[in-house]
Amino acid sequence: DVKVTQSSRYLVKRTGEKVFLECVQDMDHENMFWYRQDPGLGLRLIYFSYDVKMKEKGDIPEGYSVSREKKERFSLILESASTNQTSMYLCASSLSSGGYQETQYFGPGTRLLVL
Amino acid sequence: DAKTTQPTSMDCAEGRAANLPCNHSTISGNEYVYWYRQIHSQGPQYIIHGLKNNETNEMASLIITEDRKSSTLILPHATLRDTAVYYCIVRHHGGATNKLIFGTGTLLAVQP
Repeated sequence: DVKVTQSSRYLVKRTGEKVFLECVQDMDHENMFWYRQDPGLGLRLIYFSYDVKMKEKGDIPEGYSVSREKKERFSLILESASTNQTSMYLCASSLSSGGYQETQYFGPGTRLLVL
Repeated sequence: DAKTTQPTSMDCAEGRAANLPCNHSTISGNEYVYWYRQIHSQGPQYIIHGLKNNETNEMASLIITEDRKSSTLILPHATLRDTAVYYCIVRHHGGATNKLIFGTGTLLAVQP
């Protein structure tokens, strides 16, 4: 079974704090993704990565950065948290590109509240 | 990626089959139909996907019409734990981002 884990289920941070969200997958997947999910807006892609040390911007990268130093780990960083970054953050991974390998598997999510 | 249309909500009795419809009339020939579900406050869970043939796995069956303009997800024996929002997604493979676009989905309420 594919397992994607996220470091925290719930986080409360203050405005201006630097926030790290960690995601780990144990299936040697090449692709990893960070989404945020908000009511009425659905799932929005923040960043994704096809390989170690590679990253690509998604639809809403502003205010976020990512790091992928190891294949199994993809970190999302909020450099200076703001209240509009209060959201559910979802990490996903997929094996590779093409066919069934593109199926994305999600972690349990991190619900972040910025005060 | 093509747009999908799903009913907002459905009820199903526990132990009965749940049939969740999805319309994707603008689907193109190389787009796959994916189904995910999301139980409250959890991450989305992959269920099944297919291109044009019907598919079955341990969770569900996917029936795609011959013209591929609609599909039905079937949970053969629904349980209370199947209560969730079910998302039907149509997408290409090999795209630049491979991002998933979730619509509003169908809230399936399994009743005891």
